[in-house]
Amino acid sequence: NAGVTQTPKFRVLKTGQSMTLLCAQDMNHEYMYWYRQDPGMGLRLIHYSVGEGTTAKGEVPDGYNVSRLKKQNFLLGLESAAPSQTSVYFCASSSRQGDYGYTFGSGTRLTVV
Amino acid sequence: SQKIEQNSEALNIQEGKTATLTCNYTNYSPAYLQWYRQDPGRGPVFLLLIRENEKEKRKERLKVTFDTTLKQSLFHITASQPADSATYLCALDPDSGGYQKVTFGIGTKLQVIP
Repeated sequence: NAGVTQTPKFRVLKTGQSMTLLCAQDMNHEYMYWYRQDPGMGLRLIHYSVGEGTTAKGEVPDGYNVSRLKKQNFLLGLESAAPSQTSVYFCASSSRQGDYGYTFGSGTRLTVV
Repeated sequence: SQKIEQNSEALNIQEGKTATLTCNYTNYSPAYLQWYRQDPGRGPVFLLLIRENEKEKRKERLKVTFDTTLKQSLFHITASQPADSATYLCALDPDSGGYQKVTFGIGTKLQVIP
């Protein structure tokens, strides 16, 4: 049981380049999330999805887009990368039921130069 | 504005002692409070969830308390071990709209000294 898988693990982009971060979960969770984690800031929600085909903005959505075409996948896109988007990105998923928290992926470390 | 406060300074304790971490919040009425462990270079790992109507919850060597009057949660690790060294995150869940949309604190780094 893989849980939440994120690809790639590391990436360096030049300012203005675009990329897509991939997140896949095999737990049949309804909800999926993208967070960024910066020193001294904690985890901040970028976008989230409560089901296949639905997405919503979180706390810091500017400069990012997302898509959830399949229940198990949640994609985060950067159309024109900026140095301020240098961060560690975490994908997470959760179930509607039960006293369970989020299951996180191992993260993507992105550097924009 | 909503605020979650965790002691940003690292907590150093001797092996075998009980570690106590604090999570305070303001301008918030969480339905659930969660604790996570995060190791360097890894994603957070869920440990415990406590509801607003529960005062205490235990799991093996872990104990969490939740005081909605004080707006505070305490996270205890008894008989601490060097392997418990990590950053521990507090997370508040408003239980809004039937799905989980959690806000995280910045975490407290725990170092257990052999």
